[in-house]
Amino acid sequence: AQSVTQLGSHVSVSEGALVLLRCNYSSSVPPYLFWYVQYPNQGLQLLLKYTTGATLVKGINGFEAEFKKSETSFHLTKPSAHMSDAAEYFCAVSDRGSGNTGKLIFGQGTTLQVKP
Amino acid sequence: DAGVTQSPTHLIKTRGQQVTLRCSPISGHKSVSWYQQVLGQGPQFIFQYYEKEERGRGNFPDRFSARQFPNYSSELNVNALLLGDSALYLCASSHTGTADYEQYFGPGTRLTVT
Repeated sequence: AQSVTQLGSHVSVSEGALVLLRCNYSSSVPPYLFWYVQYPNQGLQLLLKYTTGATLVKGINGFEAEFKKSETSFHLTKPSAHMSDAAEYFCAVSDRGSGNTGKLIFGQGTTLQVKP
Repeated sequence: DAGVTQSPTHLIKTRGQQVTLRCSPISGHKSVSWYQQVLGQGPQFIFQYYEKEERGRGNFPDRFSARQFPNYSSELNVNALLLGDSALYLCASSHTGTADYEQYFGPGTRLTVT
C-alpha cells in the first residue's frame, strides 16, 4: 500500500532563509508525486508535481522539489522564505498503476512558520 | 473562469442527523473527488466519480455515499452523523480524474457535529 511520511509537523525559518520540507513515500510502482499548500480556511493549491521526465521539478512561488527514487524522497525547497509562505504544506502520492484513479494519498502535513 | 465551488461553507449538525454537501466542478471537468480532512491531519480520500460512475472509494463506512449528476456536479451524503465526522470536506475536480491530470480543490465545507 502506498503511504507518505512528512518529517517534521512544524518547521520554523527566518524570512530570507532556506525552506526545506521533507517528504518520503512508499509505493510498489513509480508514483506520481505532488506538493500542495493550504492557507488558513482555504482549500488546497497545487505547488508542483512530478509525473515523468526531469527529476527536478519547479513550481509556483519559487518552490521546487527533487524526485530521488533511490531515497524514495520528494523534498520541497525554496531558496529564500517570504512571510507569505507561512501555511500548511502537504505532500501527496498517486498511483499510476492499475485503475489510475487519481486518488491522492496525503501526508500529515507540515506547518511552515516564517519569522520576520 | 470560476473555480470549484462548494456549499454550504459551514454546517452544524447533531449526532444521528443526516447531511448533504454539494460541489460544482470547474466547467469542462468530468471528474469529482471527495476528501475528508480532520483537524491537524492530511485529507483522506472518500470517493471519486467520473462521468457519473463511481471510480474509486476510500476506507469509509457505508454511512457515506455520493453521486454525480449529468452536469457533473456532485453531492456527498453522510447518514447517522457521529462526532468523529466533524471535519473539513473537500471537493476536487479534474478533466479525467486520472493521476496525471491536476486536481483543483474547492474551499471546503466545514462540518461540525455536536
